[in-house]
Amino acid sequence: KAGVTQTPRYLIKTRGQQVTLSCSPISGHRSVSWYQQTPGQGLQFLFEYFSETQRNKGNFPGRFSGRQFSNSRSEMNVSTLELGDSALYLCASSPTGTGTYEQYFGPGTRLTVT
Amino acid sequence: ELKVEQNPLFLSMQEGKNYTIYCNYSTTSDRLYWYRQDPGKSLESLFVLLSNGAVKQEGRLMASLDTKARLSTLHITAAVHDLSATYFCAVANTGNQFYFGTGTSLTVIP
Repeated sequence: KAGVTQTPRYLIKTRGQQVTLSCSPISGHRSVSWYQQTPGQGLQFLFEYFSETQRNKGNFPGRFSGRQFSNSRSEMNVSTLELGDSALYLCASSPTGTGTYEQYFGPGTRLTVT
Repeated sequence: ELKVEQNPLFLSMQEGKNYTIYCNYSTTSDRLYWYRQDPGKSLESLFVLLSNGAVKQEGRLMASLDTKARLSTLHITAAVHDLSATYFCAVANTGNQFYFGTGTSLTVIP
């Protein structure tokens, strides 16, 4: 089975721009979660989508948004980028019905805001 | 909000030695996960602990969970250089939201 894939892997943007990141979960996984990882704040939960609905949301401003499509692929969007948004953005997919709710992580998208 | 604390944050150990990483969390949960992250890479799942008293072992790593004490440990036996990485614990709430610890950066010195 193919793992979680994320595109693009690297991205450089300028302050004020917006960006869209994409995540394709493992086949059959319907839950997709997004995390932001920075040296100062560590791993922080952004949101989780399940069957095209946002099921959980972390403590991030409204500039951070996401969506999930019927094939479980997910996108996250950050508008009006700030320097502090520079981070590694990780997507994780999770199977349902197994009881473990284990999350499998993608390689991440490294976003640099200048 | 669920808080997860790991200690130590940094760990430098000699090859062949044993050590334990601790993960404390603030509210009741019966699902705890350990991950490994190599520099510049994503997170790799190591262990899933789902009940009080759960113990899992893989090679030189052994993880345990005490839900009453809200404590998990990751024990390293006879460390080797290949174990150098950052280790994270994560706890899930009833809504399946994961809360990660700060991570423990492990360096194994020959």
